[in-house]
Amino acid sequence: DQQVKQNSPSLSVQEGRISILNCDYTNSMFDYFLWYKKYPAEGPTFLISISSIKDKNEDGRFTVFLNKSAKHLSLHIVPSQPGDSAVYFCAASSFQGAQKLVFGQGTRLTINP
Amino acid sequence: SAVISQKPSRDICQRGTSLTIQCQVDSQVTMMFWYRQQPGQSLTLIATANQGSEATYESGFVIDKFPISRPNLTFSTLTVSNMSPEDSSIYLCSVGSASSGTQYFGPGTRLLVL
Repeated sequence: DQQVKQNSPSLSVQEGRISILNCDYTNSMFDYFLWYKKYPAEGPTFLISISSIKDKNEDGRFTVFLNKSAKHLSLHIVPSQPGDSAVYFCAASSFQGAQKLVFGQGTRLTINP
Repeated sequence: SAVISQKPSRDICQRGTSLTIQCQVDSQVTMMFWYRQQPGQSLTLIATANQGSEATYESGFVIDKFPISRPNLTFSTLTVSNMSPEDSSIYLCSVGSASSGTQYFGPGTRLLVL
């Protein structure tokens, strides 16, 4: 049972445009969500997080939106840069403090010059 | 954020053997986690390792197959025992930060079992 789903295995975006990565979850007990970026041969790097008491969190070019009723979150990257090309994972936790993360399958983002 | 190192970075092993992966953190942390990423798959939590107590394993993972040590607040090991080709994965350790509400990951150990 996949509790966190990223239905798009890949996404290609033009440099300078907006990248939108989507994530759905099924467990209503999840109350904390994170996005990670992963380059080949490296561990995941934390990008941004959001608590279920919020519907939006912004950090520079990265914004995460949470729609609790739809059990859906998205990561917006504006403007997209070639260095953003990586695999992006969303993760969820039902424990504050980001314990026991449940990860989605990942979306490979490619930014084209 | 914590700086985390893992040894070895990669290894090729024969089936039936065991490999111990080390995870070192540059600061004292209470909670450490071990994850596995099988080829083409997502990251899956193996166990939570807290200093001074037995590791807590997730469903589908057992201590006999993945024994974990946590001798102090900066170090942990994960052993992959009696390996088979299905154990070929990237193994990652991470540390939790209650203050920042996130987990930081090590670079991973890429294991190939022949």
